[in-house]
Amino acid sequence: QKEVEQNSGPLSVPEGAIASLNCTYSDRGSQSFFWYRQYSGKSPELIMSIYSNGDKEDGRFTAQLNKASQYVSLLIRDSQPSDSATYLCAALYNFNKFYFGSGTKLNVKP
Amino acid sequence: KAGVTQTPRYLIKTRGQQVTLSCSPISGHRSVSWYQQTPGQGLQFLFEYFSETQRNKGNFPGRFSGRQFSNSRSEMNVSTLELGDSALYLCASSFDLYGYTFGSGTRLTVV
Repeated sequence: QKEVEQNSGPLSVPEGAIASLNCTYSDRGSQSFFWYRQYSGKSPELIMSIYSNGDKEDGRFTAQLNKASQYVSLLIRDSQPSDSATYLCAALYNFNKFYFGSGTKLNVKP
Repeated sequence: KAGVTQTPRYLIKTRGQQVTLSCSPISGHRSVSWYQQTPGQGLQFLFEYFSETQRNKGNFPGRFSGRQFSNSRSEMNVSTLELGDSALYLCASSFDLYGYTFGSGTRLTVV
């Protein structure tokens, strides 16, 4: 059983639109959640982290966490072609073990 | 500030051989984690080290092992290589377990 689930996509949105990426997790013991962006052929880079229920905003990015529903999401406002990448959701367990989802591929069309 | 450095970047090995991959974390980072990334399985956690101690291990066979040195540098070893071990191996380091920074990875091809 996968601990973190993501829709593999691809998710296609027009430039300037809001892209909504979703993630669910199975273990209620997870403490923290992270979104990473991975461009093709590159290593993942951290975009956002969220630890508490609610929303967390950073520039064009908003992470949302609902622990009761075991649901994490990432909203990208004013999507740009440069946002086209695979977005990985990760959950932290036991304070030192990360589980990653399989990633959602986002295509932003000019 | 130097990032996470992984060597070598590319490696080709034959089935049955063993391989050692190296990771130098960001200066001051004591937590180092290793991941295997394949198209079919995504990113899978191998193990995590902190101050030379393995604190957690993923669901990989005993052929996969690692260690961390006193300077926080880490090595990962895979013995008796199988074709299915072909993957991108990523190392990530963290100061406080939040915001892991990944290295560029070592792409291992087993033939």
